[in-house]
Formats: sequence, C-alpha cells, structure tokens
Amino acid sequence: KNQVEQSPQSLIILEGKNCTLQCNYTVSPFSNLRWYKQDTGRGPVSLTIMTFSENTKSNGRYTATLDADTKQSSLHITASQLSDSASYICVVTGGSYIPTFGRGTSLIVHP
Amino acid sequence: DAGVIQSPRHEVTEMGQEVTLRCKPISGHNSLFWYRQTMMRGLELLIYFNNNVPIDDSGMPEDRFSAKMPNASFSTLKIQPSEPRDSAVYFCASSSGTRVDEQFFGPGTRLTVL
Repeated sequence: KNQVEQSPQSLIILEGKNCTLQCNYTVSPFSNLRWYKQDTGRGPVSLTIMTFSENTKSNGRYTATLDADTKQSSLHITASQLSDSASYICVVTGGSYIPTFGRGTSLIVHP
Repeated sequence: DAGVIQSPRHEVTEMGQEVTLRCKPISGHNSLFWYRQTMMRGLELLIYFNNNVPIDDSGMPEDRFSAKMPNASFSTLKIQPSEPRDSAVYFCASSSGTRVDEQFFGPGTRLTVL
C-alpha cells in the first residue's frame, strides 16, 4: 500500500531560526514528490516539485531534498518568518498519477 | 484567473439533511478532484474526474456520497443524508491534462453536521 509519513507532527520555533521537516514514502513506482504549504483556512499551495533525477530544489527560503534510493525527502526552511506558520504537506505521485498525501507537519513560528 | 471556486465556504446543517457542495475548476483544466480533510485523517481523495468522466471513486466513503460533473466548468458533491461524522473541510482541486498531478486547490467548504 502506498504511504507517506511525515515528521514531526508539529513543530514550534522562534522567528529567524531554521527548521527541517521530514517525509518518508513507500510509493512505487515513483513519479514525483511535491511539498505543499497550507495556511489556516485555505487550500494547499504547491511549494516545490521534484522528480526522480533531482536531489535538491529551492524556492526562496524553502529548500527541498530528495533521496530516491532511501525514499526520503526533507523541506528546509531558512530564517523563518511568522508567515511560515502553516501546515506543510508532502505528496508523492506514482505510476497511477493519483497522489498520496502525508498528514502534514504543523509549523508554528513565534516572534 | 480566479482559481478554483468553491461554494459555499461554510455550511452548517442538521443530521439527516441533504448537503450539496459546488466547485468551478480553473478554465482549461480537464481533471477535477474532490478531497475531504480532517484532523484525524488528513487529506483523503474522494473522487477524480477526467474530461467530466469519473475515473476513480474508490475514496467515496459510502452510498450517501455522490458526485457529478455535468460539464467542464462545474461539479457537485452531494451528501444525503448527512451525518455528524461527515463534518470536515471539503476541497476541490483541478489540474491540466499535461501535468495531471499538479493540482490547484480551491479554498474549501467547511461542513458542520449537528
């Protein structure tokens, strides 16, 4: 069964600090992995997408990494801001093109 | 483009009542998805349409749930009769045929069944 596991479930950090969110998956075959940011009361918005051949991809202060061999991904947030407070969802798509969602990491950035 | 449009944004109803959620996908997108999100289970895919045809409805919880897509610009998700355990946020998402997994989400409908 295709699964996506995220850790930690929740995280509290101080503004300006860095943090890293983890995603492990068992989806096979693998097509791509996407990180979404979901602000409270809104729908998820895509941050990055990574295919099998990509190891690192950045979007501003967000950097995603992918290790397709170990089936792990991470999302690193640099110099966090209050607006980074949100839920971050890892989504993996396999051969069926139907995505499998993780349950998300809830990030709270305190001033 | 206005993005994916959902209505209503909030719905409060009593157990046993019929509930209809509506979605207008992004113009030109030919895939549409309905999701349910709860604290306990996260995002769950309910049903997926491609070119207005239901492709995968294995996520629809039971016969009380039904979805239609009469044309490329409109879809409905109906719950009849509703139950308190149906309380959740329901999202509609759409994507283009060339990148079927790159989905754009609507703002969601928060459903509360009393």
